[in-house]
Amino acid sequence: DVVMTQTPLSLSVTPGQPASISCKSSRSLLQNNGKTYLYWYLQKPGQSPQLLIYEISRLFSGVPDRFSGSGSGTTFTLQISRVEADDVGVYYCMQGVGKDLTFGPGTKVEIK
Amino acid sequence: QVQLVQSGAEVKKPGSSVKVSCKTSGDTFSGYGISWVRQAPGQGLEWMGGIVPIFGAAEYGRRIQGRVTITADESTGTAYMELSGLTSEDTAIYYCARAYTYYDHIGGTYHCTGHFDSWGQGTLVTVSS
Repeated sequence: DVVMTQTPLSLSVTPGQPASISCKSSRSLLQNNGKTYLYWYLQKPGQSPQLLIYEISRLFSGVPDRFSGSGSGTTFTLQISRVEADDVGVYYCMQGVGKDLTFGPGTKVEIK
Repeated sequence: QVQLVQSGAEVKKPGSSVKVSCKTSGDTFSGYGISWVRQAPGQGLEWMGGIVPIFGAAEYGRRIQGRVTITADESTGTAYMELSGLTSEDTAIYYCARAYTYYDHIGGTYHCTGHFDSWGQGTLVTVSS
């Protein structure tokens, strides 16, 4: 299985300040069709996860443009340009298609 | 907007099985898959498997393969996840999610991607003697 790692595992951010989460995979996520199936999810406290970013950098419908994704191959980043109180929760990167879908361990984001 | 409504909480004995349902609204099964993800208390997310109903075949995560069966009833728009041989380590919230699909032109097969655009509310399964 592809192993996903995230750093940091926890983050405390002042409202209005930026935040960045790194995600690395144990092998390249670039598929034969030229796509990279790398996703970012946010699980707010007590809620089901919700999709933020798909295919590295595409913003899911309704997600504020404060969120952005970047990267390629094995190294990816989620950035929040200005953190708001509503952004608290656990952020997960996730990869794959077919029978090889794996999540990172999650990064807990708190507000200072 | 698509909605996925899961069955209620379950309490099961070790060694038994549990079957969780996921009722979808609208035309969810047309061109989409359903994946199942679980979350043990205080832990992260684990993908269990998925199915593309129009294709029929399910795929499973290696760690849980052999104990999980995912099916879909197109007539009712309902997906099911059955887990057998329950142990205390299976105590978790189980989520279903609608998944975008990928078509493998070489193999002629459909697969779920990790693009889960709608999620169920989760079903707590507690395994206890």
